[in-house]
Amino acid sequence: AQKITQTQPGMFVQEKEAVTLDCTYDTSDQSYGLFWYKQPSSGEMIFLIYQGSYDEQNATEGRYSLNFQKARKSANLVISASQLGDSAMYFCAMRVAFGNEKLTFGTGTRLTIIP
Amino acid sequence: DSGVTQTPKHLITATGQRVTLRCSPRSGDLSVYWYQQSLDQGLQFLIHYYNGEERAKGNILERFSAQQFPDLHSELNLSSLELGDSALYFCASSPGRARGTGANVLTFGAGSRLTVL
Repeated sequence: AQKITQTQPGMFVQEKEAVTLDCTYDTSDQSYGLFWYKQPSSGEMIFLIYQGSYDEQNATEGRYSLNFQKARKSANLVISASQLGDSAMYFCAMRVAFGNEKLTFGTGTRLTIIP
Repeated sequence: DSGVTQTPKHLITATGQRVTLRCSPRSGDLSVYWYQQSLDQGLQFLIHYYNGEERAKGNILERFSAQQFPDLHSELNLSSLELGDSALYFCASSPGRARGTGANVLTFGAGSRLTVL
């Protein structure tokens, strides 16, 4: 079974600073994918970034990057130059390559950007 | 707009009743997933359909059922509703089945918020 752990229930960050949201995962599979989603107060789930377990480089998408440390089983999300609009819940999720195709989500981190 | 359409956006009903939530996937997507988000359980996978066929079941109660129709839209039926069924129900779609480490990103709809009184 897969498990995602997000140990930071809430974080407060000053606007324009960088922020790292922690995510660790547990799986015995060698082939898997890691995802980050953002959920603003309006409720929708917005895909941010994806990292495959065999990808050699860390994924980046604009101000988002994924700090993937396979040996430590961590997939932290880094947001550079935070903005007020970044205030939201952030979920880390995982899917193993073979078998059930669902995404398993962590409990989320509520990020608040302070002006 | 994500391209995944869910109706209704909000629904208030009483215990013991039955409701149907509807989802239209993004154009071209063959997979539909249903998730339940509640304060105490977080995001829970309910069921996955691919091109009309059930592919996987998660923590879906026997009182709940779903189907995907030939036009690929999906419905989630919730019956004998209880107070604990109050939650945000998400539908998500993806292009196909996950292959290897391919992303096959799930695109979520805006959700249907169910309140059972």
